[in-house]
Amino acid sequence: QVQLVESGGGVVQPGGSLRLSCEASGFTFSDFGMHWVRQAPGKGLEWVAFIRYDKNKAYYADSLEGRFTISRDNSKNTLFLQMNSLRVEDTAVYYCAKDQILGEWGQGTLVIVSS
Amino acid sequence: DVVMTQTPLSLSVTPGQPASISCKSSQSLRHSDGNTYLYWYLQRPGRSPQLLIYEVSKRFSGVPDRFSGSGSGTDFTLKISRVEAEDVGVYYCMQSVQLPLFTFGPGTKVDIK
Repeated sequence: QVQLVESGGGVVQPGGSLRLSCEASGFTFSDFGMHWVRQAPGKGLEWVAFIRYDKNKAYYADSLEGRFTISRDNSKNTLFLQMNSLRVEDTAVYYCAKDQILGEWGQGTLVIVSS
Repeated sequence: DVVMTQTPLSLSVTPGQPASISCKSSQSLRHSDGNTYLYWYLQRPGRSPQLLIYEVSKRFSGVPDRFSGSGSGTDFTLKISRVEAEDVGVYYCMQSVQLPLFTFGPGTKVDIK
């Protein structure tokens, strides 16, 4: 069955960087686009980024202002999110999700941006 | 940008009774390819979201048939024919007509009376 396991979350100071990973199994990773979606504490879902299956295009929410980069390593079945210039408002659980329809989700990894 | 709204934002339902959630978009979600890109997700308490419905009315794998989606253009509805205790959580609609941008609605919290 499909499994998506996020990692890399933690506590970081404002202005810092963090790299999240999402390890995929149970499907042919290289055949599917992948998303990152986040959820601030007690808030709703916010789409963050999407990368096509073939890596040739990535898309981002306007609110990120170019601070995040989504990437993937199809040889390692892994999705990444490089987050730079982190702000307090980036504090959230970050989920990866499979396919354009977000058919399966990981369990999430918590990022806390705090001084 | 497409803005999604949901009503009500909170809903308390008696088990065995039906429930309905409305989702409206600021512009038509019908794509030039003929598909309408409206989705419904459920996030149970303490859990990750899960896909219920895609393209307005198609139930995702394993989703009970008490869940159904309908609508067109800018107005959509998720219906639960007979609410069960496990249906408690927050329901989100989402659009992807403006690919590659995806927008979630604010969520509707459903609990049991």
